[in-house]
Amino acid sequence: QVQLVESGGGVVQPGRSLRLSCAASGFTFSNYDMHWVRQAPGKGLEWLAVMSSDGWNKYHADSVRGRFTISRDNSKNTVHVQMNSLGADDTAVYYCATGLGDAFDYWGQGSLVTVSS
Amino acid sequence: SSELTQDPAVSVALGQTVRIPCQGDSLRDSYASWYQQKPGQAPVLVSYYKNNHPPGIPDRFSGSRSGNTASLTITGAQAEDEADYYCLSRDIYTNHWVFGGGTKLTVL
Repeated sequence: QVQLVESGGGVVQPGRSLRLSCAASGFTFSNYDMHWVRQAPGKGLEWLAVMSSDGWNKYHADSVRGRFTISRDNSKNTVHVQMNSLGADDTAVYYCATGLGDAFDYWGQGSLVTVSS
Repeated sequence: SSELTQDPAVSVALGQTVRIPCQGDSLRDSYASWYQQKPGQAPVLVSYYKNNHPPGIPDRFSGSRSGNTASLTITGAQAEDEADYYCLSRDIYTNHWVFGGGTKLTVL
């Protein structure tokens, strides 16, 4: 069955960097666009970034462009998000999700990132 | 940037029908998808494209669109449908996606 497992979350100091990973299994990873979405505590969902199935195209939300970068390795069935210059408002649960056309059909369980000194 | 507007909260009596709207300009050009999220859990896709359902999603969930408004209708709401519901659409001009603010559904 489809599995998406995020890792790399934890507590990080303001201004530091963190790299999240999402390991995929149970489907042909290289056929799917991959997304990152986050949810701050008690808040709604926020789309962050997408990378096309072949890795050629990527787009980032205006709120994180220049600080966050999505990447993928189709040989390892993983997608990453590099997050730099983290601030308190980046505290959230971060999800990876598979793209099904314009929808997101499978989601990981999420990885909590807490930005705190 | 595109925005999607949802009512913060809606309630429905058990077994009745409820409609959850989502409004935004991007919906004129692309279809919304809908996600159910229960506390402490990841979102789950319940409806996408014109009115498609992933396997395992009950037929009581249906999606529709008219103009710049998309709607998720739950026909015969059940207690287990109590959750937060989010709409999502893609801005075809920027290739950015945007979520609505979410609607908290209470089943009375």
